Amino acid sequence: DAGVIQSPRHEVTEMGQEVTLRCKPISGHDYLFWYRQTMMRGLELLIYFNNNVPIDDSGMPEDRFSAKMPNASFSTLKIQPSEPRDSAVYFCASTYGGVSGNTIYFGEGSWLTVV
Amino acid sequence: ILNVEQSPQSLHVQEGDSTNFTCSFPSSNFYALHWYRWETAKSPEALFVMTLNGDEKKKGRISATLNTKEGYSYLYIKGSQPEDSATYLCAFPGYSSASKIIFGSGTRLSIRP
Repeated sequence: DAGVIQSPRHEVTEMGQEVTLRCKPISGHDYLFWYRQTMMRGLELLIYFNNNVPIDDSGMPEDRFSAKMPNASFSTLKIQPSEPRDSAVYFCASTYGGVSGNTIYFGEGSWLTVV
Repeated sequence: ILNVEQSPQSLHVQEGDSTNFTCSFPSSNFYALHWYRWETAKSPEALFVMTLNGDEKKKGRISATLNTKEGYSYLYIKGSQPEDSATYLCAFPGYSSASKIIFGSGTRLSIRP
C-alpha cells in the first residue's frame, strides 16, 4: 500500500498568493483528516470528511481556508489569500471506520512557508 | 471542550535507562486512546490504540497501560535507545467514533548516548 500521499512536500509562496495542498488517502479509507502543526498549538485538526462529506470544519482558522473532497481518493486544502502566519506543516491523514478503535495513517506532510 | 494533557513536556534520558510518561484525558464518554510516535521531519506513526480499561499493550521495548476510570494512560520505554528519540503523542476521540480526535501536545523524548 502506498500510504497517504501529499503534495507538494514543500512550498514557499508570497503573501497574498493562493496555496493548494493535495492529498490522496489510503484506498478504502472512508475518513480523511486535515491537520496543521504549529509550534504554538501542536497538532490541531482543521477539518475531517466521512465518505467525502465534510463532518466538522470547526478547526478551520478562517474563511481564507477551504477544503474539498470531490471523490474518495482526492482532497484539497486551499488557502486564499495566504498570510505569513499560515506557515506550518499541514498533514493529511486517513482511516477506516472512524477513530475509536482504528489507527490514523498520516501523510508525510506539506511544509508551507509564506513570506 | 476536551482536554488531553501530556506530561512531562520534554524528557532527557540516558541510553539504557527506562522511562515513562503520562497522558490524561476526560474519563467520561471514553471510546479509545491512541499513542503515536513522531520523529522530527517525519509523519506521526501509530503505536497503540487502546479501548478497554486495564488494557496493556506492548510493542518491543515500548508498552502502554490504560485506566479509563481515572482518565490516564502511561507509556513505558524499557532500556531506551537513541532511536527512541521522538515526540510521543496521545490522542483522544471525543464522543463517538465519528468525532474529531484531539491530540495532546506531546512528550519530547531525547536519549543521551
